Amino acid sequence: NAGVTQTPKFRILKIGQSMTLQCTQDMNHNYMYWYRQDPGMGLKLIYYSVGAGITDKGEVPNGYNVSRSTTEDFPLRLELAAPSQTSVYFCASNPSGGSGNTIYFGEGSWLTVV
Amino acid sequence: AQTVTQSQPEMSVQEAETVTLSCTYDTSESDYYLFWYKQPPSRQMILVIRQEAYKQQNATENRFSVNFQKAAKSFSLKISDSQLGDAAMYFCAYMSSNTGNQFYFGTGTSLTVIP
Repeated sequence: NAGVTQTPKFRILKIGQSMTLQCTQDMNHNYMYWYRQDPGMGLKLIYYSVGAGITDKGEVPNGYNVSRSTTEDFPLRLELAAPSQTSVYFCASNPSGGSGNTIYFGEGSWLTVV
Repeated sequence: AQTVTQSQPEMSVQEAETVTLSCTYDTSESDYYLFWYKQPPSRQMILVIRQEAYKQQNATENRFSVNFQKAAKSFSLKISDSQLGDAAMYFCAYMSSNTGNQFYFGTGTSLTVIP
């Protein structure tokens, strides 16, 4: 059972570089999310998507972009990386319908910007 | 946006004893869901328990139970017969069914289990 798969698991970026964190889920979930977790802190929502072709900003979207061309994939793009983007990034998915289904997380991507 | 507050950054409990982790939230919605997630050092997020706001009965999952007080907007987690494997960061989360099933997380409580 793959669930939510994120790649890469670890990455070091130089200031100003760009990269894409990949996320894919095989559960046919309509809702997908990107969160970041700074050291000692909770998770903050960066972007989310309620279905293919639809994305919206969360609490902390600045410096990031997303796309949702398929139900399965929800990549997160970092443009012009900054040290403030050093964090652990979690992709997650959730069945649609407002039925309170739980959110399924990937294993996280550790990103360091130096 | 809804806010979730965990006022205990750190807690400790003796093995086999009971501990309660606190969580409060702020919302004007009547239909929502609440969750407790466990995050061990591996950083994997593991669902512990969930509660539907429309249900008055408190959720229970084996050694884990909640005390849900809707009027007080309180959602505490009780861990009974604590085990060494319970040591982790615990996050309280609120899910709104009105805004794309967005989840809002507290800042977490770090639980230490003392042998």
